Amino acid sequence: DAGVIQSPRHEVTEMGQEVTLRCKPISGHNSLFWYRQTMMRGLELLIYFNNNVPIDDSGMPEDRFSAKMPNASFSTLKIQPSEPRDSAVYFCASSLPRAGGRNEQFFGPGTRLTVL
Amino acid sequence: GESVGLHLPTLSVQEGDNSIINCAYSNSASDYFIWYKQESGKGPQFIIDIRSNMDKRQGQRVTVLLNKTVKHLSLQIAATQPGDSAVYFCAEKYEIIFGKGTRLHILP
Repeated sequence: DAGVIQSPRHEVTEMGQEVTLRCKPISGHNSLFWYRQTMMRGLELLIYFNNNVPIDDSGMPEDRFSAKMPNASFSTLKIQPSEPRDSAVYFCASSLPRAGGRNEQFFGPGTRLTVL
Repeated sequence: GESVGLHLPTLSVQEGDNSIINCAYSNSASDYFIWYKQESGKGPQFIIDIRSNMDKRQGQRVTVLLNKTVKHLSLQIAATQPGDSAVYFCAEKYEIIFGKGTRLHILP
């Protein structure tokens, strides 16, 4: 398996532009997570989906952020309009929780976003 | 790669010595914990897990200890190697809280 795939790996954009980050989870996994990582705040959970349904989006910073999961193999995180303070590394992770088994999340390589 | 967490707590350990990384959690109902390792420029990767019905679990060169009374986890790495240099996070299954982690720095 190729693991969790994220694109693009790097994105540089100007303030006010729309940014779309993409994620393909590991095939068969039914939970998907979006995280943001910065030096100041560490690794923060933004939103997670279970069976394509958003379960907890309390970590989404504000209305400029939105996430969708139209099917089991694809998710997007959109920022519109983007601001310099959105600059961070955004990680997508997926998992297949098993009762009594390992419940680890498998992380993608991340997208480094720079908003000028 | 991405430089993560200049403000992270840092543990500096001599190569070959043992490392102990600590973590506190808040939810007394938590029943499952994971330690992740994040190397520079990469996403976090699973190291070891433990359920609340255990107080110790061992892997290859790593041991996790769980003290439910004080809600404390620790990760012990035996004979620390240069490849152990990374940021280490603890996570709870239900709260999925990672925080800033701890940077492990290996001294030659």
